[in-house]
Amino acid sequence: DGGITQSPKYLFRKEGQNVTLSCEQNLNHDAMYWYRQDPGQGLRLIYYSQIVNDFQKGDIAEGYSVSREKKESFPLTVTSAQKNPTAFYLCASSMPGSDTEAFFGQGTRLTVV
Amino acid sequence: AQKVTQAQTEISVVEKEDVTLDCVYETRDTTYYLFWYKQPPSGELVFLIRRNSFDEQNEISGRYSWNFQKSTSSFNFTITASQVVDSAVYFCALSERYSSASKIIFGSGTRLSIRP
Repeated sequence: DGGITQSPKYLFRKEGQNVTLSCEQNLNHDAMYWYRQDPGQGLRLIYYSQIVNDFQKGDIAEGYSVSREKKESFPLTVTSAQKNPTAFYLCASSMPGSDTEAFFGQGTRLTVV
Repeated sequence: AQKVTQAQTEISVVEKEDVTLDCVYETRDTTYYLFWYKQPPSGELVFLIRRNSFDEQNEISGRYSWNFQKSTSSFNFTITASQVVDSAVYFCALSERYSSASKIIFGSGTRLSIRP
């Protein structure tokens, strides 16, 4: 079945450690996105990528890094520079310029202790 | 720049009441897409509807209906005869189609609670 997979669902890390969240899609979508959601808050765009080997900063990119070496994969690294990393992270993919919606993964809940 | 505003942070109604969720957007593009998503407690976003900027027809799907008005830059969502299962957070989103840096921007969401 086609879809977008995020792993793991729950992640715990100690403060000061970098952590990488996985996002894989088999929908053949060109565009991929990372959003952050804090409790009771909306979705804020961290990074997005329109094509392999290219990506742009979203509204809250500081303290995060991404790579897009393959069309199917768009991992997000939460670095130690991110001051408040505990949040719910959602990955999405879509075909830009088309009239299809974005498909979302199930999310990763990151807790930094 | 793109912007989506959902002014209603939380709404609580009694089951079977009708409820309307408001969405106002800003964009400089003439071609764009609007979306509504539902986020149940599990966290995953569920797609509900998309509308392109050239299609101002209202749409009805069962108890759900959407009212798109370009003149007021609004894309409101109405649930008729609400049910407890409709309780969730609802997000409105905007995507510009021909932007060289196309991205999807979400509103802050409206938390809808349906009381039995």
